[in-house]
Amino acid sequence: DAKTTQPPSMDCAEGRAANLPCNHSTISGNEYVYWYRQIHSQGPQYIIHGLKNNETNEMASLIITEDRKSSTLILPHATLRDTAVYYCIVRVIFGNEKLTFGTGTRLTIIP
Amino acid sequence: GAVVSQHPSRVICKSGTSVKIECRSLDFQATTMFWYRQFPKQSLMLMATSNEGSKATYEQGVEKDKFLINHASLTLSTLTVTSAHPEDSSFYICSAKVVVSGANVLTFGAGSRLTVL
Repeated sequence: DAKTTQPPSMDCAEGRAANLPCNHSTISGNEYVYWYRQIHSQGPQYIIHGLKNNETNEMASLIITEDRKSSTLILPHATLRDTAVYYCIVRVIFGNEKLTFGTGTRLTIIP
Repeated sequence: GAVVSQHPSRVICKSGTSVKIECRSLDFQATTMFWYRQFPKQSLMLMATSNEGSKATYEQGVEKDKFLINHASLTLSTLTVTSAHPEDSSFYICSAKVVVSGANVLTFGAGSRLTVL
């Protein structure tokens, strides 16, 4: 699986959009970008995934650059409950199902 | 949606005793489950892959005789920490794969916090 780089921490004001960047410059053509988050003392939660097109679901939007070397997870209207560690993971869509977590970005939503 | 249930959520035990943690897929069948461990302020570390009806596959450095994994049915995997010691105190999390939007994703349990005195 390709390596990812994320900032260790970020703050965002409540109600504003939270934009979390991820660099994955060594991504392969068959690898997808996945995002998970972990709220304190809970199990991780799947958020969204994508290959090259921008994706949106009820939780977030995922913007992937044209060269696929980086992506941004967008939480459009952050709430206090979005405070969590966010993990960007790059991997093939099927195959080795193991998921390797890096250190992620600790997002703090400020009232 | 697919739900993974873990039990117990918290357990405290004495050093030298064994502790069993259960992981159940509530509304789907899981041929494969994954067990992770997380120490305070650290990321999740994969311990082992649990396969229904066969032996678990352990990650390098994880003692298979200490962390016994049993996956006897398509909805239940158990992790037994044998002869637990204080250094085994950790947050243990299981997960199973489900298909979302044409891709395999992992759905996680809420975790089990083990404290060994």
